[in-house]
Amino acid sequence: GENVEQHPSTLSVQEGDSAVIKCTYSDSASNYFPWYKQELGKRPQLIIDIRSNVGEKKDQRIAVTLNKTAKHFSLHITETQPEDSAVYFCAARDQMNTGFQKLVFGTGTRLLVSP
Amino acid sequence: SAVISQKPSRDICQRGTSLTIQCQVDSQVTMMFWYRQQPGQSLTLIATANQGSEATYESGFVIDKFPISRPNLTFSTLTVSNMSPEDSSIYLCSAKLAGSYEQYFGPGTRLTVT
Repeated sequence: GENVEQHPSTLSVQEGDSAVIKCTYSDSASNYFPWYKQELGKRPQLIIDIRSNVGEKKDQRIAVTLNKTAKHFSLHITETQPEDSAVYFCAARDQMNTGFQKLVFGTGTRLLVSP
Repeated sequence: SAVISQKPSRDICQRGTSLTIQCQVDSQVTMMFWYRQQPGQSLTLIATANQGSEATYESGFVIDKFPISRPNLTFSTLTVSNMSPEDSSIYLCSAKLAGSYEQYFGPGTRLTVT
């Protein structure tokens, strides 16, 4: 089955800097890669996603890139703000032989943006 | 997107008792899932709730401990049975929208077992 690794586990940046979180996956058949933001005590919130037929996707200050050959994808946040502080999870859709699909999550990155 | 609600939002339960968590989705969904999240940890899939049939459980989770129902497309329940303090965690319902890859989460149920 799919295995997702995420780095770094914690990331501290100054307000206005950029932040990059990286994930690698093991199953070359995986075709969908979402990113979730989870603030303290809140539910995981889908912030951006990318499918395997696309190399990059952007939404205002956040972007996701995908390298299928290397089997890794990254979240880029530009002009960080204190409200970006949260735990970010990457995930990959596990394409099992049975046709059953599920998301496999990374271990999370705690991002702290200091004013 | 989808609006997912869960009841209860939190509970404190005695060892040996059971708690049933309800999940309601406001949109057409194809798949519903139940996750567990320990403090400071990632999301662990317990099972996929299948409409009209038995849930599909992940390794380490069994039906006797976590019975799941899904009587219709937009509603599911998870029961945590014969609870022990090790079951203290946040339980999250999730749903995948019909015709989409997107998956959304409910607000979670914070369970404390004493």
